[in-house]
Amino acid sequence: KAGVTQTPRYLIKTRGQQVTLSCSPISGHRSVSWYQQTPGQGLQFLFEYFSETQRNKGNFPGRFSGRQFSNSRSEMNVSTLELGDSALYLCASSATGPRFSPLHFGNGTRLTVT
Amino acid sequence: GESVGLHLPTLSVQEGDNSIINCAYSNSASDYFIWYKQESGKGPQFIIDIRSNMDKRQGQRVTVLLNKTVKHLSLQIAATQPGDSAVYFCAENYGGSQGNLIFGKGTKLSVKP
Repeated sequence: KAGVTQTPRYLIKTRGQQVTLSCSPISGHRSVSWYQQTPGQGLQFLFEYFSETQRNKGNFPGRFSGRQFSNSRSEMNVSTLELGDSALYLCASSATGPRFSPLHFGNGTRLTVT
Repeated sequence: GESVGLHLPTLSVQEGDNSIINCAYSNSASDYFIWYKQESGKGPQFIIDIRSNMDKRQGQRVTVLLNKTVKHLSLQIAATQPGDSAVYFCAENYGGSQGNLIFGKGTKLSVKP
C-alpha cells in the first residue's frame, strides 16, 4: 500500500501571500489530520477531517483552513502568510480517526516564509 | 535535514544495548498512547500503540510500558541498532468529540557503533 503523499515537499513564499498544501491519504483511510511542526513548539494539531467534514480543530487562527474531498484527499490553505508560519506541515491519515487508530504520517511540506 | 527540536533530551547508547525512552503524559483521562520515530527529513513513523486497559504491549524489538498511576509511558528497544537513531515522540489521546493526538517534545536517540 502506498503511504501518505504530500505535495509539494518544499515551498518558499513571501509574507502576505497564501499557500495551498496537498495530501493524499493511504487508500481506504477516511480520516486526515494536519499538524504543524516547529523546533520551538513541536507538533501542534491543526485540524482533522473525516468524510469531508471537519471534526476537530486546534488553536490556530482562521488564516489556517482546510478541506477534504470525496476521495479523501485533503488540502490545507494558509492565507496572509506570516514569518512565524514557517514550519514543517504534516498530514496524517487513519482508517477511522485518532481515537484508537494510529495516524500514519507523510513526509511533510517544508514551508519557508520570507 | 531539518531539526525537529532544539535542546531535546538526548539518550546515547552503544549498538547492541537496550534503550529505554521515557515519557510523562499530561492528562489523566488519556486512554490511548502511541510512540513515533522521526528520522531527519521524514515524517513521524508509527512504532507501537497501547490502550489504557493494558500496561504492557510488545512488538518487534520494542515494548511499551504504561503506568497510569504516575502517568508514565516508556519505550524499550532491544538490541539497539544504528538505524534506530532518530527522535522519538510519545503521543496521548484523551477523547472528546473525536479527540486528537497530543505529542510530547521528543527524545533524541543516538546509537554509537
